[in-house]
Amino acid sequence: AQSVTQLGSHVSVSEGALVLLRCNYSSSVPPYLFWYVQYPNQGLQLLLKYTTGATLVKGINGFEAEFKKSETSFHLTKPSAHMSDAAEYFCAVSGQLGNQFYFGTGTSLTVIP
Amino acid sequence: DAGVTQSPTHLIKTRGQQVTLRCSPKSGHDTVSWYQQALGQGPQFIFQYYEEEERQRGNFPDRFSGHQFPNYSSELNVNALLLGDSALYLCASSFGLGGSYNEQFFGPGTRLTVL
Repeated sequence: AQSVTQLGSHVSVSEGALVLLRCNYSSSVPPYLFWYVQYPNQGLQLLLKYTTGATLVKGINGFEAEFKKSETSFHLTKPSAHMSDAAEYFCAVSGQLGNQFYFGTGTSLTVIP
Repeated sequence: DAGVTQSPTHLIKTRGQQVTLRCSPKSGHDTVSWYQQALGQGPQFIFQYYEEEERQRGNFPDRFSGHQFPNYSSELNVNALLLGDSALYLCASSFGLGGSYNEQFFGPGTRLTVL
C-alpha cells in the first residue's frame, strides 16, 4: 500500500526566500513520486516527477525535488519564491504497475511581498 | 490541443438525487481516471477506465459508477447522493496502462454541491 504525508498544511515565505515543502511517503513497492500544483478553481498541473534514475529531479517554474529512499522523502524546493508561486501543492505516490495515485492532503503556499 | 475537459463546471443537487459528470480526455489519451477532492483534502482515487472497462477502483461504494465510450470520453455517475458527496470531481487522462510513468493530465474539475 502507498500513502503520502505532507508536513505543514500552510507555509508562508517572503518573496525571494527559499521554498521548502515537505513530503514523506510510504510504499511497499518502488515508488513513483510526483508534485502537483493547483491554482484556485483549476485542476492539477504536474510540476515534476521521479520514476527512476537521477534522484534530483528538476521541474517547471524553477522547482526541484530530491528522492531520498533512506528517509522516504521527496521534498519540493525552489531557491527564490515568486508571488506567482502562491498555490496549493500536492505530493503523490504511485506504484509502478498502475496509474492509481495516492495524494497527500496538500500544502498551501503563501508568498509575502 | 484542448487538454482534458469536464462538464458541467458546477452542479447543485439534493440528497437522494443522481448525477452524471462528463470528461473528455486529452487528444491521444485513452485512459481516464476519476478523483474526488473534498474541501481541504487531496484528491482520492475513485476508479480508472481503459478500453471501456473499469481497470482499478479505489475505496468508494457502488453508488459511484462509470462508463467509458469508444471515443475514450467518460462519465461518472453517483446515485443516492449524500451530503458527503459534495466535492470537486477531477478527471485525469493518460495513455495506456504502462504504469505511472505515463503522466496524468488533469481537467479543471466539476464542483458538486449536495444540499
